[in-house]
Amino acid sequence: NAGVTQTPKFQVLKTGQSMTLQCAQDMNHEYMSWYRQDPGMGLRLIHYSVGAGITDQGEVPNGYNVSRSTTEDFPLRLLSAAPSQTSVYFCASSYSPGRETQYFGPGTRLLVL
Amino acid sequence: AQKITQTQPGMFVQEKEAVTLDCTYDTSDPSYGLFWYKQPSSGEMIFLIYQGSYDQQNATEGRYSLNFQKARKSANLVISASQLGDSAMYFCAMREENAGGTSYGKLTFGQGTILTVHP
Repeated sequence: NAGVTQTPKFQVLKTGQSMTLQCAQDMNHEYMSWYRQDPGMGLRLIHYSVGAGITDQGEVPNGYNVSRSTTEDFPLRLLSAAPSQTSVYFCASSYSPGRETQYFGPGTRLLVL
Repeated sequence: AQKITQTQPGMFVQEKEAVTLDCTYDTSDPSYGLFWYKQPSSGEMIFLIYQGSYDQQNATEGRYSLNFQKARKSANLVISASQLGDSAMYFCAMREENAGGTSYGKLTFGQGTILTVHP
């Protein structure tokens, strides 16, 4: 298993540009989530999904869209990038039911100029 | 709403000694899970240990143990016999769970503690 994969690893955007951060998992996990990590802070939940076709907002959803058309993929779309969205983005997945932890991808480092 | 507080921005420990990283939490959920993650300088998030709120015994995973005191709402991580490779950022996190231990996959994180292990 490849686990949770994220692309790209690093991206530079100009203010106002849009882009999609890709996330995929091959563990047949139902739950997938997107977090952002700002310097000196813990991770904050952006959006999450409890299964294909079902998504919901987390703590900091503004400026981001998600969709879940398949179990494997959970892309995060930045509609119009802003410097405040400069961050490291982590995708995570977990299997439910059960007490398993979330498995995190390697992260995407995003810089918005 | 859930909240995690890690009051130690940084901790230092001598190699081979034990260290405790503090974590307190606040929640109104009757059932929840508590996690510790390690984030080395390379940036990935590494799962260390899990404690369910209804677990009777403290969780242990190798050199890691979780000192769970439910009444005090604390979930401190104890690392025994510290190694140089333990130098990293450590995050405490929690998620709500139903009575059966299933969850909605949403984690709330603390701000982290940077641990430095000296030789």
